[in-house]
Amino acid sequence: DTAVSQTPKYLVTQMGNDKSIKCEQNLGHDTMYWYKQDSKKFLKIMFSYNNKELIINETVPNRFSPKSPDKAHLNLHINSLELGDSAVYFCASSQDLAGGGLRGYTFGSGTRLTVV
Amino acid sequence: KNEVEQSPQNLTAQEGEFITINCSYSVGISALHWLQQHPGGGIVSLFMLSSGKKKHGRLIATINIQEKHSSLHITASHPRDSAVYICAVRGFGNEKLTFGTGTRLTIIP
Repeated sequence: DTAVSQTPKYLVTQMGNDKSIKCEQNLGHDTMYWYKQDSKKFLKIMFSYNNKELIINETVPNRFSPKSPDKAHLNLHINSLELGDSAVYFCASSQDLAGGGLRGYTFGSGTRLTVV
Repeated sequence: KNEVEQSPQNLTAQEGEFITINCSYSVGISALHWLQQHPGGGIVSLFMLSSGKKKHGRLIATINIQEKHSSLHITASHPRDSAVYICAVRGFGNEKLTFGTGTRLTIIP
């Protein structure tokens, strides 16, 4: 039973389109995150939510809008996709804002987004 | 200059060798994490450290807060240890993780 699941795993789309990536965790964690990994494999935080409340919004273009309907879900919607948005997007969760708990951070398997 | 620097960037070793990966950071932190990214892309959290040393199986992580330095050691390395190892730090009153650029480890049978 996957702890943090994100869909889709691969997404190929044209410039200008709008797309969403979904993330769900069944760990009972309070905090969820979106990270972007660029072509050089460098990870960077985009957003974090704690109990459905936005905590971190890191200089991300406002074309990216996270939505957390409940603390088990954090979806990422991207408007007007650009070539530079191509990357792997990882969802993650942790027990609390301190990233603590037995398992620390638990990551989803990633969504490889390719904008053509 | 990145706040979190890892060395080496790439490391190739023979099976059975003792491996050390280093992480240095330039800011005060409340915790440091070591992550492992498999060739398939999945990321696993290995350790969270705020002081001292932790051990899990063949993996050992140490941190020296005064020197702003952490090391990840792998004893009796095995080809299945081949992965990218990523160091990440969390500042005080700051919930975000800042990541190093990773160390790509390849263990040859």
